Amino acid sequence: GQNIDQPTEMTATEGAIVQINCTYQTSGFNGLFWYQQHAGEAPTFLSYNVLDGLEEKGRFSSFLSRSKGYSYLLLKELQMKDSASYLCAVRDSNYQLIWGAGTKLIIKP
Amino acid sequence: GAVVSQHPSRVICKSGTSVKIECRSLDFQATTMFWYRQFPKQSLMLMATSNEGSKATYEQGVEKDKFLINHASLTLSTLTVTSAHPEDSSFYICSAGQGVTEAFFGQGTRLTVV
Repeated sequence: GQNIDQPTEMTATEGAIVQINCTYQTSGFNGLFWYQQHAGEAPTFLSYNVLDGLEEKGRFSSFLSRSKGYSYLLLKELQMKDSASYLCAVRDSNYQLIWGAGTKLIIKP
Repeated sequence: GAVVSQHPSRVICKSGTSVKIECRSLDFQATTMFWYRQFPKQSLMLMATSNEGSKATYEQGVEKDKFLINHASLTLSTLTVTSAHPEDSSFYICSAGQGVTEAFFGQGTRLTVV
């Protein structure tokens, strides 16, 4: 079957760096997405990786290793507003998005 | 980035009535839109893929007669929850993409059936 694994919850301190990991086993691979979702709101697109390596976008970076079925989202200079759930999603060979359950990130002052 | 607008953001309806949710792509044409349902503290569950000018493709276990999807134009898809029941109360979200990147979501609709 298809599966996306990410930690359920993580806690970090304001100003610090946090890395949220995502591992996947899917039938085919056509890209990996990271989304941010605040409570009660729809997800917001953060990043899209289809080739191996690191994509940097401001305070957020996303890394992909297709051979390992692994990605991480790196958040730097954490702010209180970064408290949210972070969803990892993989597009499979049928171009369907397979979603992880999300990682709830708690930022403490 | 691209903008997807979903309306209404919140709706409360009586059991047995129908509710229509609209999803519009404001600055691009979307041949395909996706409808999701999300339960509290759970991830997104794809309900159906809405294709402009043709019938929607429903995921296994989703009742097509209960969740009616219409995609009449390249900028508008609608989801109608028919004969709503309290168990249909949920957060419904649409998304639309440009090219191969399905990356933009509507604001979501919180449906409460009383």
